Amino acid sequence: GAVVSQHPSWVICKSGTSVKIECRSLDFQATTMFWYRQFPKQSLMLMATSNEGSKATYEQGVEKDKFLINHASLTLSTLTVTSAHPEDSSFYICSAPTGTTEAFFGQGTRLTVV
Amino acid sequence: LAKTTQPISMDSYEGQEVNITCSHNNIATNDYITWYQQFPSQGPRFIIQGYKTKVTNEVASLFIPADRKSSTLSLPRVSLSDTAVYYCLEFSNDYKLSFGAGTTVTVRA
Repeated sequence: GAVVSQHPSWVICKSGTSVKIECRSLDFQATTMFWYRQFPKQSLMLMATSNEGSKATYEQGVEKDKFLINHASLTLSTLTVTSAHPEDSSFYICSAPTGTTEAFFGQGTRLTVV
Repeated sequence: LAKTTQPISMDSYEGQEVNITCSHNNIATNDYITWYQQFPSQGPRFIIQGYKTKVTNEVASLFIPADRKSSTLSLPRVSLSDTAVYYCLEFSNDYKLSFGAGTTVTVRA
């Protein structure tokens, strides 16, 4: 089946620094990818839609200047958490639809800001 | 805002069948009903998808009545490793998935 890979699986960073998370579709092309955030014991919340070759679209309440998204190729989207703070600590997950009626998720990235 | 409603939790024992019912009160005509499984610190994993009637694969069955206002995921003979959170979702043309709280299934020995 289709595979979506995220890197890194976990990252610890200091408050005020920026962190980049990569999401790759390994065996299919994805013009659209989605970024979710999940806090402990909570469900996934859609943050933004990453569009290849154009600007990302953000859900209400998500700061676009804080969560920079770049979708430079048909197999790679990146999420950069800028000037990270402890409240940004969370589990970040990407997904990519295959063009049919299925969407596959990455394994997630655990971000801890200290 | 989640589009679906499902029980918060269910408990079961190894070897039993687990059925989780989800409400789709406002499902769009073209939407597919999709179920995902999520283990702690992992991304959701696709289980099964259907539009109407019954679909079966190697891990589960999905029952969808004619009015499509509900769906039931059936997990036959669960094991401890089936302990997870299960989400029912409505898959639309824009591929956006709106997650509800999910159902935490706990399987005991």
